[in-house]
Amino acid sequence: EAAVTQSPRNKVAVTGGKVTLSCNQTNNHNNMYWYRQDTGHGLRLIHYSYGAGSTEKGDIPDGYKASRPSQENFSLILELATPSQTSVYFCASGASGGREQYFGPGTRLTVL
Amino acid sequence: QQKVQQSPESLIVPEGGMASLNCTSSDRNVDYFWWYRQHSGKSPKMLMSIFSNGEKEEGRFTVHLNKASLHTSLHIRDSQPSDSALYLCAASGVRNNRIFFGDGTQLVVKP
Repeated sequence: EAAVTQSPRNKVAVTGGKVTLSCNQTNNHNNMYWYRQDTGHGLRLIHYSYGAGSTEKGDIPDGYKASRPSQENFSLILELATPSQTSVYFCASGASGGREQYFGPGTRLTVL
Repeated sequence: QQKVQQSPESLIVPEGGMASLNCTSSDRNVDYFWWYRQHSGKSPKMLMSIFSNGEKEEGRFTVHLNKASLHTSLHIRDSQPSDSALYLCAASGVRNNRIFFGDGTQLVVKP
């Protein structure tokens, strides 16, 4: 089965602080994605990547940066965290061509 | 703009009943539809996919697709309390490297 892991699983940050969320996949998938999900709602795409060294803006990129240093790793960076970024963040990986995505367990981020 | 619309937003069915969920895409470039299920506190997991007109059945779950209207529906027969979850519809096109998710239907199956 596809394996996507995320760290940390829970994070409490202060307003204005820097937060880095990490994602690792062992599926050898080219594509990786970062979503946020607010309570009771669907998934909103923040950034995605087609492969090592590439990042693309999703639907809500403002306030977030992404980094894909290798095929396996994809990070989401909040340079200046704000309370509005309190949410659950999911990383996913998928093969090329917009097909099935495999999700990590999620990171619950609280910005105070 | 929202490319994938789901209805209803929430649905309550009795145990043993039929649950019917709907999804429509506004993007004529999509050619693949997905249904993901997300239990409370867990991550989404793909339940079923469909890309051909018609229907596909897997156990108690049936998916229909009408490509002309870009409408798909998920039907769960003999619903169980364990089916209570957020059901997310998604659509993708061969030219895309991403899929578009709807906001989901929250299903509650009451014992």
